[in-house]
Amino acid sequence: GAGVSQSPSNKVTEKGKDVELRCDPISGHTALYWYRQRLGQGLEFLIYFQGNSAPDKSGLPSDRFSAERTGESVSTLTIQRTQQEDSAVYLCASSLEGASGSEQYFGPGTRLTVT
Amino acid sequence: QKEVEQDPGPLSVPEGAIVSLNCTYSNSAFQYFMWYRQYSRKGPELLMYTYSSGNKEDGRFTAQVDKSSKYISLFIRDSQPSDSATYLCATLPGYALNFGKGTSLLVTP
Repeated sequence: GAGVSQSPSNKVTEKGKDVELRCDPISGHTALYWYRQRLGQGLEFLIYFQGNSAPDKSGLPSDRFSAERTGESVSTLTIQRTQQEDSAVYLCASSLEGASGSEQYFGPGTRLTVT
Repeated sequence: QKEVEQDPGPLSVPEGAIVSLNCTYSNSAFQYFMWYRQYSRKGPELLMYTYSSGNKEDGRFTAQVDKSSKYISLFIRDSQPSDSATYLCATLPGYALNFGKGTSLLVTP
C-alpha cells in the first residue's frame, strides 16, 4: 500500500519568508508525528498528533513553528519568518495509534534550505 | 547526557563481513527499541523492532537488547554493498522516538 508522502521534496526559501510543508500519512493511521533532522544531528521530535489534536507540542523550537492536522489525515507544518538555522530535513511519520510501542513509518522528508 | 548514544562512524567493511552496530541508552525504564536504516536523501525505514530484552532475527539481521547494561546491538551477517546506509537506533519511551545520531556504514565490494 501507499506509504507516507511529503511535499515538496525540496524547498529553498529566503530568510524571513514563511514556508508550509505537507504530510500525507498512511491511510488509517491515527497518529502523526513531525521530526527534524539537521546536518550532523540526530532526529529531533517536534510535534505529535492523535487524530486532529496535538497533545504534545513540546518539541516545537519556537513560536515561529506551528502545525495542524485536518480530517485525521493531512498535516501541515508552517514555519514563519524562516531563519538559516531552520535549514534541515523535516520528516513526517505515522503510526496506527499513538500508544507506546506503535511502529512509526516515515516519509521521504522535505529538505528545507534557508538562504 | 543524551538519552541514546551512538558512535557515528563511519564504519567501512568488505563485502561478506559481519557488521556490529551498537548504542547505549540512559533510562532503564525503556522497553521498546528500534533500528532504522536510512539511505542518502531518503526517510528512515524501520528495520527491526524489539520489546524488552533478548534477540530478534530477520534474515541477515539480528537485533539484541541487553537491559542489564543498557546496550542495543544490530548485527548484519554476510554484508552486501546494498547495506551501505546510515543505521539509527531508537527507543520509544512514550510516543516520541528518541534517536541516536546514526552510524554511517559502507560495505565495499
